[in-house]
Amino acid sequence: AIRMTQSPSSFSASTGDRVTITCRASQGISSYLAWYQQKPGKAPKLLIYAASTLQSGVPSRFSGSGSGTDFTLTISCLQSEDFATYYCQQYYSYPTFGQGTKVEIK
Amino acid sequence: QITLKESGPTLVKPTQTLTLTCTFSGFSLSTSGVGVGWIRQPPGKALEWLALIYWDDDKRYSPSLKSRLTITKDTSKNQVVLTMTNMDPVDTATYYCALIVATRKGDAFDIWGQGTMVTVSS
Repeated sequence: AIRMTQSPSSFSASTGDRVTITCRASQGISSYLAWYQQKPGKAPKLLIYAASTLQSGVPSRFSGSGSGTDFTLTISCLQSEDFATYYCQQYYSYPTFGQGTKVEIK
Repeated sequence: QITLKESGPTLVKPTQTLTLTCTFSGFSLSTSGVGVGWIRQPPGKALEWLALIYWDDDKRYSPSLKSRLTITKDTSKNQVVLTMTNMDPVDTATYYCALIVATRKGDAFDIWGQGTMVTVSS
């Protein structure tokens, strides 16, 4: 199984901050990576696929980069509605998710 | 508008078989490249993929749960059914179904249902 490791597991940030979340795959996955946002009690929402392609309707402050084993999700200017948990998922082989990164209000 | 909705029992006893139905609208599971997957999330924990079925009836299962899972589709009813045998309290989770459009987005889960909470307890 391809293991996905996110870092950090959680952190606090302020509105307006630039934040970066990292996802590392245990083996190369090319660009077969997606990012999701999940708010409490809600289903995950696809933000980015193919490592860097923004899902339709997702604000441009979200961006993704990386290929191979190392990936990042960046929020350029954190908004109040962005406080949530973020998951990466690889689909190079059967799908696996990272453990999640919770972004909390400082 | 594409929607998916999960349905099934909220409570099952240990050793019983769980049957969940995903009823969808706004797309057809006979369209090339389309698939529906199941993902679960125990309370306070991460997401775990369970199974996928594609338009051509290709089926994929999580290796760790493969012996307990069966996924089927009924294209005429716009439904996908997941069965999981020998339920255990550790299977307590919210179960989601989600759309895949492999030809455009690979096996990224494009649109999700609201989820259904299943508790396993005697």
